[in-house]
Amino acid sequence: EVQLVQSGAEVKKPGESLRISCKGSGYSFTTYWITWVRQMPGKGLEWMGRIDATDSSTDYSPSFQGHVTISVDKSISTAYLQWNSLKASDTAMYYCARLYGHYFDNWGQGTLVTVSS
Amino acid sequence: SYELTQPPSVSVSPGQTARITCFGHALPNQYAYWYQQKPGQAPLLVIYKDSERSSGIPERFSGSSSGTTVTLTISGVQAEDEADYYCQSTESSGSPHVVFGGGTKLTVL
Repeated sequence: EVQLVQSGAEVKKPGESLRISCKGSGYSFTTYWITWVRQMPGKGLEWMGRIDATDSSTDYSPSFQGHVTISVDKSISTAYLQWNSLKASDTAMYYCARLYGHYFDNWGQGTLVTVSS
Repeated sequence: SYELTQPPSVSVSPGQTARITCFGHALPNQYAYWYQQKPGQAPLLVIYKDSERSSGIPERFSGSSSGTTVTLTISGVQAEDEADYYCQSTESSGSPHVVFGGGTKLTVL
């Protein structure tokens, strides 16, 4: 069974750094890209970017380029989403998902990030 | 930037047919995909490549495409179908950038 298991909820202060994770299992991790999706409170889904689990090449949405970093450690089948300096506006649920061609066939359970002073 | 447009809300009574549309200028040339999201849950793939039903999705869910509009149809709506539905596509086959529609809240009256 394909599973993507994300790290737990985080509460941070503005200006702090953060890295959340997404561990894949039940499939060949390096065969697929992993993508990250943001969902702000009460709002819709926003595609942030993707990473090739084989060679770590990335593509970012223009809306998120330069604000977050997506990385992967294929030795432990884990993808990451990282911020160097959080803002209150980063408060959201973040989902990872497996990219199958042009769509997302399996999703993580989500990681809630709260940024508040 | 490329956009997909969905109605904010659709309401139907149980047993009726719900139709949720998604408009995008590139949809004649790009596949669309549909996701269902219930409160507190991650999105779930419902339809891929315009009209293919994902594994485990009930037959009452179907998808269709006509020009710049794709439609998710739920026949014989049940209370458990109440959820947010999102369409998703890309602007071109060579573009890695994914776009989601704004989402449609399906209310079962």
